Amino acid sequence: QSALTQPPSASGSPGQSVTISCTGTSSDVGAFNFVSWYQQHPGKAPKLIIFDVTKRPSGVPDRFSGSKSGNTASLTVSGLRAEDESDYYCSAYAGGNNFYVFGSGTKVTVL
Amino acid sequence: VQLVESGGGLVQPGRSLRLSCAASGFTFDEYAMHWVRQVPGKGLEWVSHISWNSANIDYADSVKGRFTISRDNAKNSLFLQMNSLRAEDTALYYCAKELSGYDSLGGLDYWGQGTLVTVFS
Repeated sequence: QSALTQPPSASGSPGQSVTISCTGTSSDVGAFNFVSWYQQHPGKAPKLIIFDVTKRPSGVPDRFSGSKSGNTASLTVSGLRAEDESDYYCSAYAGGNNFYVFGSGTKVTVL
Repeated sequence: VQLVESGGGLVQPGRSLRLSCAASGFTFDEYAMHWVRQVPGKGLEWVSHISWNSANIDYADSVKGRFTISRDNAKNSLFLQMNSLRAEDTALYYCAKELSGYDSLGGLDYWGQGTLVTVFS
């Protein structure tokens, strides 16, 4: 099972928005509405910020939003803040034996 | 919720290691659990899943036939038996809790801090 494709980097100035894409196939991203996004700061464990394509766990700011079209999911971070500088990973349920597949990761830089 | 992994270390190729994850702060026997690994500086790779009642188990192709996931609900513990280790298994291994209970899916809402496995010759 190949990793989902994400751009290696993205950036924006404070207050701006940045959108990260996550491209899979009709067997994972396109097949189910089980796309999730994780934020990972250096030396820390990943943190769930979006699940079921668009839902936010309790405590995650509404500046984070998710969407999906076909085989591509997207994460948008609005009103960028310095603390949003981090690595972001998407993940999708792939069914069968390859339960979850992760994206290649995107490093977001706040300029 | 707390997940604490242990059991990592330095091991030669072909040898075995058993990872453990001690869970607390939630009703362990109601949730599926996963192992996810990460080569330092690289991306995340899902490794294995076990359902709440151990009825359903899945493995990534890269570890199938070599790794075995198990759980002891009475002891709130998750395990990963890793046999025939290879250099490419070197990574930080996280245990993670499924967001929703029983057979529901959604994502991994709690992660441990990981235990480092280094396979060297």
